[in-house]
Amino acid sequence: KNEVEQSPQNLTAQEGEFITINCSYSVGISALHWLQQHPGGGIVSLFMLSSGKKKHGRLIATINIQEKHSSLHITASHPRDSAVYICAVRPISGSARQLTFGSGTQLTVLP
Amino acid sequence: DAGVIQSPRHEVTEMGQEVTLRCKPISGHNSLFWYRQTMMRGLELLIYFNNNVPIDDSGMPEDRFSAKMPNASFSTLKIQPSEPRDSAVYFCASSPPPIGTQHFGDGTRLSIL
Repeated sequence: KNEVEQSPQNLTAQEGEFITINCSYSVGISALHWLQQHPGGGIVSLFMLSSGKKKHGRLIATINIQEKHSSLHITASHPRDSAVYICAVRPISGSARQLTFGSGTQLTVLP
Repeated sequence: DAGVIQSPRHEVTEMGQEVTLRCKPISGHNSLFWYRQTMMRGLELLIYFNNNVPIDDSGMPEDRFSAKMPNASFSTLKIQPSEPRDSAVYFCASSPPPIGTQHFGDGTRLSIL
């Protein structure tokens, strides 16, 4: 069983829809990252959070440490949001800076 | 801010050849990470450095892989000899102290024929 599970694996939405991507993990963590990988391959760090909620523009990330679960929400989705969204956690045990990655969620937003 | 700079962007070479990937981290960042991404395994951490010192290389697949960071502004990942199964996208990332958000380079797409 992977330490980090994402769902769904693939998601297709219409422009304007509200989107939720989920991430569950099985180990104690010190931080969780949400990354965005564009079709060209570049990776951008969206959020790093260890509790509560963070918001940046139309993106909102939440985390529930007790439930070992995080969600990434996109409001008013747009075709330019189409990308792979990757959840990564930093386990408490092991190397302080090591990240364990989920397999990603491929999001396609149709015009 | 120039971001993390990786070179080359693409590399195609025959198996058995030595491959060297290069990375320039963001100035002021004291941690540097090398990742490999494949369709089968996704993103995997290969090695990371803190203040130019290798901290964890447990992700390095085998002795054919080596990484160095001679100074705070430069790191290399070397594969010798290369094999077709090494074909992947290799990303370098850096982060500021104490444990900040990681900033990724554009990656090197490596194809070993």
